[in-house]
Amino acid sequence: NAGVTQTPKFRVLKTGQSMTLLCAQDMNHEYMYWYRQDPGMGLRLIHYSVGEGTTAKGEVPDGYNVSRLKKQNFLLGLESAAPSQTSVYFCASRDGGRGATQYFGPGTRLTVL
Amino acid sequence: DQQVKQNSPSLSVQEGRISILNCDYTNSMFDYFLWYKKYPAEGPTFLISISSIKDKNEDGRFTVFLNKSAKHLSLHIVPSQPGDSAVYFCAAPGGYNNNDMRFGAGTRLTVKP
Repeated sequence: NAGVTQTPKFRVLKTGQSMTLLCAQDMNHEYMYWYRQDPGMGLRLIHYSVGEGTTAKGEVPDGYNVSRLKKQNFLLGLESAAPSQTSVYFCASRDGGRGATQYFGPGTRLTVL
Repeated sequence: DQQVKQNSPSLSVQEGRISILNCDYTNSMFDYFLWYKKYPAEGPTFLISISSIKDKNEDGRFTVFLNKSAKHLSLHIVPSQPGDSAVYFCAAPGGYNNNDMRFGAGTRLTVKP
């Protein structure tokens, strides 16, 4: 049982390049989330999904797109990376009620030059 | 807007003593709170939670206290151990909508042997 995995672990992009971050969970959870963590800001929600085929915006969605084609996978895309998107990105999943525990992946450290 | 606030970026305590981490919130609609613990290069992991119908929840060395009138909660760790050294995040679901989770900026706890 791997839990939540994220690919890649590290990435360096140049401004304007695109990339996709992959999140996978093997716990059959309905809900999946993408967060970014910046110094002094805690974790901020980018996008989330309440089930396969659904996505919704979180607190800081601009510059990102997401897709949930399969229940176990949640993809985060950057179409044209900007230095302001330099951050650590965490994926999480949960099941059950709204207070249910979220399980986090190990994170992806992204640097945009 | 930062609906969950952790105003102390860091805390240092001696092994065996009590660690008290504080969290304030502004949204009176929050009715459930969670604490997560994060080690370097890992994702956050769930530590303890509390419902707004309670004012205390205890799990081993960890106790969370909730003061609804003051919109304040605190995490007590007794006795503190070097392995407790990590960043602690306070979180509450429902900031943006019922599927959202709002996190504080985190407090870095260092427990000195």
